[in-house]
Amino acid sequence: DAGVTQSPTHLIKTRGQHVTLRCSPISGHKSVSWYQQVLGQGPQFIFQYYEKEERGRGNFPDRFSARQFPNYSSELNVNALLLGDSALYLCASTGLDTEAFFGQGTRLTVV
Amino acid sequence: AQRVTQPEKLLSVFKGAPVELKCNYSYSGSPELFWYVQYSRQRLQLLLRHISRESIKGFTADLNKGETSFHLKKPFAQEEDSAMYYCALSSLLGTDKLIFGTGTRLQVFP
Repeated sequence: DAGVTQSPTHLIKTRGQHVTLRCSPISGHKSVSWYQQVLGQGPQFIFQYYEKEERGRGNFPDRFSARQFPNYSSELNVNALLLGDSALYLCASTGLDTEAFFGQGTRLTVV
Repeated sequence: AQRVTQPEKLLSVFKGAPVELKCNYSYSGSPELFWYVQYSRQRLQLLLRHISRESIKGFTADLNKGETSFHLKKPFAQEEDSAMYYCALSSLLGTDKLIFGTGTRLQVFP
């Protein structure tokens, strides 16, 4: 098992564009969470999905949205990108024992 | 408000010295507390959690509800302990949401 995989690893976008980030959880994990980590800060919770339903939402604008597919993979979408959206986006999957396993992240740069 | 505070951005020690990384939290209910570690060029990974009461790689952490603290300790630091350490809390109420502190970079010199 490769663990949690995220794609792409790096991305450069222009202000105003939209972006889609992808995450594949560990096999058997039904919960996926997304976090934003800006330089010098800890990860900030964006969304959690469980069995394709949103279970939690952090304090992020409506420009951020996500979904989970029947195979439990997930996408994070960000519209109308701002410079301040530049960050490392982390995906975590969680199994029955509530331990979160993190992916390597997608580094998004908005120019 | 739910918050995790790690007061030290950087902690530098020599090999063999004791280490204590501080973590304080504020939470109105009964949280679960974690320490996550990120070694250079590796992904964030769980080091230990308070409910398991284990010692991992020589590290221990005790939840002190009176002082709302969950400090991470190791009696003798090793060079391979150099990494970024994040304290985090989670509600026990059915969500996997983690609230992280800002992290402490531990540097262990030879």
